[in-house]
Amino acid sequence: SAVISQKPSRDICQRGTSLTIQCQVDSQVTMMFWYRQQPGQSLTLIATANQGSEATYESGFVIDKFPISRPNLTFSTLTVSNMSPEDSSIYLCSVNPGVTEAFFGQGTRLTVV
Amino acid sequence: AQSVTQLGSHVSVSEGALVLLRCNYSSSVPPYLFWYVQYPNQGLQLLLKYTTGATLVKGINGFEAEFKKSETSFHLTKPSAHMSDAAEYFCAVSPTGFQKLVFGTGTRLLVSP
Repeated sequence: SAVISQKPSRDICQRGTSLTIQCQVDSQVTMMFWYRQQPGQSLTLIATANQGSEATYESGFVIDKFPISRPNLTFSTLTVSNMSPEDSSIYLCSVNPGVTEAFFGQGTRLTVV
Repeated sequence: AQSVTQLGSHVSVSEGALVLLRCNYSSSVPPYLFWYVQYPNQGLQLLLKYTTGATLVKGINGFEAEFKKSETSFHLTKPSAHMSDAAEYFCAVSPTGFQKLVFGTGTRLLVSP
């Protein structure tokens, strides 16, 4: 199993600013995943973060908007840049240490005003 | 590409009644299948998963699901609903050997006394 800690749990931000979300895992994992859950919708994968290499972004997501860092095997950050109200979502970090099960953090609830 | 369809964005049942949440998937390879539950203002919790072997899978809180390859389905059931089951339920698929998940749109289960 894996225990994931995300910070902040929630934030209200002004449009045009940036927010960095932190994800800490209690064990070393190869891949970390960042998902977005827009209001009333399902989860969509933003990118996969590998330690020691550039993150892999899904279609519709770009590095300039969602830069990701992965400095070691237990930590990652996702930055939401130049925010607009459309970025208001829950952002979740996930890991899959055993391949067959994904564990999720509690999420960061972001509101952009 | 993999995809997941959950029929019914909302399902209402009475306490003690059968719960049936539908999930159909599309996958070009034998998939791993998952059901997750999300309680209000919380992250995702794994209910159960199918990887290989027995097609009837039992999970936590009395839930179970059956993998039917011929129907490409993985419906979630519980014989008797409890008030505490009220939550959002997500079906997800992951192609064998990969770790990222593709989620369905979710089904909100409402349980009335």
